[in-house]
Amino acid sequence: EAQVTQNPRYLITVTGKKLTVTCSQNMNHEYMSWYRQDPGLGLRQIYYSMNVEVTDKGDVPEGYKVSRKEKRNFPLILESPSPNQTSLYFCASSPRQVSYEQYFGPGTRLTVT
Amino acid sequence: AQKVTQAQTEISVVEKEDVTLDCVYETRDTTYYLFWYKQPPSGELVFLIRRNSFDEQNEISGRYSWNFQKSTSSFNFTITASQVVDSAVYFCALSDRKLIWGLGTSLAVNP
Repeated sequence: EAQVTQNPRYLITVTGKKLTVTCSQNMNHEYMSWYRQDPGLGLRQIYYSMNVEVTDKGDVPEGYKVSRKEKRNFPLILESPSPNQTSLYFCASSPRQVSYEQYFGPGTRLTVT
Repeated sequence: AQKVTQAQTEISVVEKEDVTLDCVYETRDTTYYLFWYKQPPSGELVFLIRRNSFDEQNEISGRYSWNFQKSTSSFNFTITASQVVDSAVYFCALSDRKLIWGLGTSLAVNP
């Protein structure tokens, strides 16, 4: 089944404790992206990747890191999480670039206390 | 500047009513793409439709239809005979050089 998977689905952590949210897609898509969704602010892009080893900042990259060592995986790293990073995070993939529809993972609800 | 406006923040209808969700966009590019996504209460984001700027034909898929009008820069979404399962947040998005999202319209369909 074609899908985007994210883990974990729920995470409660404390300020400053490094964490990684994994994202994997099995559709051989070139483009992958991370978003955060906050009430009243809609979906905001954090980082995106056009292909392996090619990543770029989105609209709200501060406090996040990503890597794309393999085509299928695009982990999101929070090296020192802070409470303002409490949010719902989505990973998405697309055959190519942003002109194609994106397929989203189920979301990761992160709480930083 | 690129922008997507979904002026209706929340809509509430009774089952079987028709409902239209508005989407107005701004772009200077002649080539662009428009999308609608659905986010049901379970939280996942589901792709509904993609339309390119050169195709102004209206699209119908079951009870869903989309009206694309370049003259008014609008890409409106109509649900005919709404059902409770249509309750969700619906997002409109524009892609030219980057993807721009509207803030979404929350639709509640009441029995």
